[in-house]
Amino acid sequence: DTGVSQDPRHKITKRGQNVTFRCDPISEHNRLYWYRQTLGQGPEFLTYFQNEAQLEKSRLLSDRFSAERPKGSFSTLEIQRTEQGDSAMYLCASSVLRTSGTGKLFFGEGSRLTVL
Amino acid sequence: GNSVTQMEGPVTLSEEAFLTINCTYTATGYPSLFWYVQYPGEGLQLLLKATKADDKGSNKGFEATYRKETTSFHLEKGSVQVSDSAVYFCALSRDFGNEKLTFGTGTRLTIIP
Repeated sequence: DTGVSQDPRHKITKRGQNVTFRCDPISEHNRLYWYRQTLGQGPEFLTYFQNEAQLEKSRLLSDRFSAERPKGSFSTLEIQRTEQGDSAMYLCASSVLRTSGTGKLFFGEGSRLTVL
Repeated sequence: GNSVTQMEGPVTLSEEAFLTINCTYTATGYPSLFWYVQYPGEGLQLLLKATKADDKGSNKGFEATYRKETTSFHLEKGSVQVSDSAVYFCALSRDFGNEKLTFGTGTRLTIIP
């Protein structure tokens, strides 16, 4: 069990640039979640996938954000035309369908985005 | 909407002290309640949970009881250790069948020897 891995761990970019984060879940986990955590706040739900299907998106996910999980394994979260308000820690988590509703999520260490 | 309020941190205690971290929630119906912990350099991990009123979740010496009448889920431990130093998050879920969680702001706990 190698855990959930996220890349890059830290990204500094200028306002207006596009950034992409990658998440590799635990290999047998068919559900994958993205959360965002701003300074001094708890994580906020953004979206989740079951296999390759994106099942739900939060209203927090503006049109500049897009997430994919093309083969039901790794996922990418792209932010276009970044704004300073996008500065946050982006957390990925995974779980297995058979434990759904139990709250048992396995989180990665996160990708920290700083927009200058 | 759903929300979770945690006591402000940081909290600093001496080893073997008694710990309470307060958590209250606002939600319709009967949410499931969770405590997550984030140790330094690691991702968040589920510490304990309770899914209905009066349930007590427990793990690693930590306990929390789901109190519907006070909408609370306070985290307690009788004797803390240096290794308990971490950030603790209270969370709830109103959705059955997924892990769409609403988190509190987190409480940083430091235990000094």
